[in-house]
Amino acid sequence: GAVVSQHPSWVICKSGTSVKIECRSLDFQATTMFWYRQFPKQSLMLMATSNEGSKATYEQGVEKDKFLINHASLTLSTLTVTSAHPEDSSFYICSASPTARSGNTIYFGEGSWLTVV
Amino acid sequence: AQTVTQSQPEMSVQEAETVTLSCTYDTSESNYYLFWYKQPPSRQMILVIRQEAYKQQNATENRFSVNFQKAAKSFSLKISDSQLGDTAMYFCAFMKPDYNDMRFGAGTRLTVKP
Repeated sequence: GAVVSQHPSWVICKSGTSVKIECRSLDFQATTMFWYRQFPKQSLMLMATSNEGSKATYEQGVEKDKFLINHASLTLSTLTVTSAHPEDSSFYICSASPTARSGNTIYFGEGSWLTVV
Repeated sequence: AQTVTQSQPEMSVQEAETVTLSCTYDTSESNYYLFWYKQPPSRQMILVIRQEAYKQQNATENRFSVNFQKAAKSFSLKISDSQLGDTAMYFCAFMKPDYNDMRFGAGTRLTVKP
C-alpha cells in the first residue's frame, strides 16, 4: 500500500536553534500535504497545508514565520521549526493523498517527536 | 468551519463485549467524508472505518461498524467482540471532498479489560 515516511522520528534540539522535519510520499505523488501537531494527551491540530510549487496555507494562530513549510517536489514536504522553544516540543505528523487517485484516500506518516531543551 | 465533538474522554469495556464511541459534527456542507482513526501508543494513525456522507448505508469493517445519522450529524463507532488490541485512542474526523485536510475530534481513550 501507499506509504508516507517522516524523518527524523525523534529529534532533540537546543532552544533557539532550528530543526527540519521531512515528509515523503514513497510511492505516489502528492500535490498537497498536511502538517499536524499533537500535544500530549490532545488531538491532532492542523497547522498548515503544504502546496507543491506554491506557498503553504496556514491555519489561524499558526505563525508562518516560525513554521516554515517547503513543498519543492511532488513527493517531499519539509517543516522547519525556526528558533525553537520548549513550548514547541510536540509530536508532528504529516498526511498526504495521491494526486492521481480518486476517493480521497489519506495516508499518514509515522510522526516526528520534537523535544526542545 | 467544521467542528468535531467527541464527548467521551475515556471509556472501558470488557474483552469480548461491545462498546460504542460517540461523535457529533457541525457542518453546512452536503457532501463530506467521516472517519474513525485508531492511535495506539506508537502514535501511528490507523484508519478504522470511513463513511461517505452521500451514502446512506452505514459502513462496516469486520468488528467495526458505524451508525451514521446525517440529519442529526452523528457518527458513532461500534466495536463488537472487543479485543485487548483495540486499546488505543480513537479519533473521529471530518473531511471535505477534494480538500483532504482533516479536522479531528478530541479523542476517546478506550481501554479493553481482560
